Amino acid sequence: LAKTTQPISMDSYEGQEVNITCSHNNIATNDYITWYQQFPSQGPRFIIQGYKTKVTNEVASLFIPADRKSSTLSLPRVSLSDTAVYYCLVSNQGGKLIFGQGTELSVKP
Amino acid sequence: NAGVTQTPKFRVLKTGQSMTLLCAQDMNHEYMYWYRQDPGMGLRLIHYSVGEGTTAKGEVPDGYNVSRLKKQNFLLGLESAAPSQTSVYFCASSYSNFVAGPFGQGTRLTVV
Repeated sequence: LAKTTQPISMDSYEGQEVNITCSHNNIATNDYITWYQQFPSQGPRFIIQGYKTKVTNEVASLFIPADRKSSTLSLPRVSLSDTAVYYCLVSNQGGKLIFGQGTELSVKP
Repeated sequence: NAGVTQTPKFRVLKTGQSMTLLCAQDMNHEYMYWYRQDPGMGLRLIHYSVGEGTTAKGEVPDGYNVSRLKKQNFLLGLESAAPSQTSVYFCASSYSNFVAGPFGQGTRLTVV
């Protein structure tokens, strides 16, 4: 299973774009990349998933370079309510979903 | 539609006691997961199931047992609780083996 590495914490201000990068150097051909958001005292919530290039939904974009050894979650114009822990997962058909340490994002006024 | 429901929400155990945590889902999902989360740490996979009657070990399976006798339920058992098992336990189900979720609301377990 591919191991992921993310920054432990990041700070931002309201209205800024936030980019969180995850490194997964030993990603396998059939692995997908998924990002989750977790608020205190709640379970994680799915944000976005991708395999290659760029994926966009109503809350975020996911950028994956051609070699797929990293991925970047982009949150446009963050607000205070985006303060949370963000996790990057690399998953395959085996179903064994391992979370990493996550990135604690703090958005300030 | 209740989604994923965990029972109980809170529990205090004495060292050596046993208990079972229940995770129930009403979405007909094949995949179910049990995670534990300790303060300031990420989620660690305890056990998971890829279908009724199947279970598999995750990252930290020691001290826990699981059963998936019915598709909608995934039980996590602690045979002899230890203080090191004090944690918040999250259950999740999924329609896909590539993504976990939704998650339950968590069970806060304290072993004294």
